[in-house]
Amino acid sequence: GAVVSQHPSRVICKSGTSVKIECRSLDFQATTMFWYRQFPKKSLMLMATSNEGSKATYEQGVEKDKFLINHASLTLSTLTVTSAHPEDSSFYICSARGPNGFAKNIQYFGAGTRLSVL
Amino acid sequence: GESVGLHLPTLSVQEGDNSIINCAYSNSASDYFIWYKQESGKGPQFIIDIRSNMDKRQGQRVTVLLNKTVKHLSLQIAATQPGDSAVYFCAEEDDKIIFGKGTRLHILP
Repeated sequence: GAVVSQHPSRVICKSGTSVKIECRSLDFQATTMFWYRQFPKKSLMLMATSNEGSKATYEQGVEKDKFLINHASLTLSTLTVTSAHPEDSSFYICSARGPNGFAKNIQYFGAGTRLSVL
Repeated sequence: GESVGLHLPTLSVQEGDNSIINCAYSNSASDYFIWYKQESGKGPQFIIDIRSNMDKRQGQRVTVLLNKTVKHLSLQIAATQPGDSAVYFCAEEDDKIIFGKGTRLHILP
């Protein structure tokens, strides 16, 4: 099956610093990538949708200047949490979807990144 | 607004028994549904999907049932095993996925 790699799996940073999370599709071209946030014992909340080569579309309530998304190639999207604060601590998960018709348009998920801001 | 939710937050099942996890959705126009399994500290894993032109779909040890009349979806896991312990989410997808709240499945020895 299609594989999505997310890195790092865990990051601890000081308040005020920026953190970059990478999401890679390893064996397919991801025309669309999605970024989710998940609080403990809660469901996944979609933050933004990014299409290769264009600006990300953010969900209502998600600050685009706070969560910078770049999808510069068909296999890589990055999420940068800028000036992180303790309330940004969460589990961030990406997913990727191939071109229309690939693998029944299923989204494949990365393993997630646990961000802890001190 | 539309939402996808689950009836029970936790389900405990004896190992070897069948598990049934339920889900209700509110958007009658939804035509594609997916069940995901999420183990602790990991991303969701696709289990099975179903389109609205079907009412049942079977996979390996799993069956999804769709009742469009009452907007209800269920996931049946046959002969539940310890490895089935996880949180199960139903989801509705159009161009993006809307996840339900999740049901944690506990397997009793």
